[in-house]
Amino acid sequence: AQSVTQLGSHVSVSEGALVLLRCNYSSSVPPYLFWYVQYPNQGLQLLLKYTSAATLVKGINGFEAEFKKSETSFHLTKPSAHMSDAAEYFCAVKMWDGQNFVFGPGTRLSVLP
Amino acid sequence: NAGVTQTPKFRVLKTGQSMTLLCAQDMNHEYMYWYRQDPGMGLRLIHYSVGEGTTAKGEVPDGYNVSRLKKQNFLLGLESAAPSQTSVYFCASREGGPDTQYFGPGTRLTVL
Repeated sequence: AQSVTQLGSHVSVSEGALVLLRCNYSSSVPPYLFWYVQYPNQGLQLLLKYTSAATLVKGINGFEAEFKKSETSFHLTKPSAHMSDAAEYFCAVKMWDGQNFVFGPGTRLSVLP
Repeated sequence: NAGVTQTPKFRVLKTGQSMTLLCAQDMNHEYMYWYRQDPGMGLRLIHYSVGEGTTAKGEVPDGYNVSRLKKQNFLLGLESAAPSQTSVYFCASREGGPDTQYFGPGTRLTVL
């Protein structure tokens, strides 16, 4: 079965520092890949997605992610963290011929002043 | 457009009581999903639907039932609530292919 791992349940960075949130998937066939953000007491919002076009994907709020097939990874980055980036981030995968999504356990990002 | 809405936002039940959660979407999406979110476990799929009149089991379906009588609505039922069903429940919908899921705001359920 497909699985998603997110290294680090909690990541803290200083304001202005690089944000790196890790995501690895288990499939041997490259799936569709998604990053979602969840602010407190809200639903999930899409940050960006990879659907087999460019391997470097740019999303909202200055985030981007790079699909690396050899590493089965889809890590999320942002060059300079802002206080408003504090939230929980979820990586998700969907097989191209499937109907369902599998979510990782999430990484809570804290941004320190 | 309202997007995806969920009713109610909060609910407290006693063990053994029943309730229905309503999800509605106004985007004419074919696919709808019910997830539960628990700390450290991400979102786990309970049931889903690929179109009006269809439902299927997800990863954690036990203790829940669903119905999709109208394309825009997807109902999640708990026939006899248990404390293990205390969670935050999210509904989502999407069109198809690699399309994005759109999530509702969630329902926070506590079972005493």
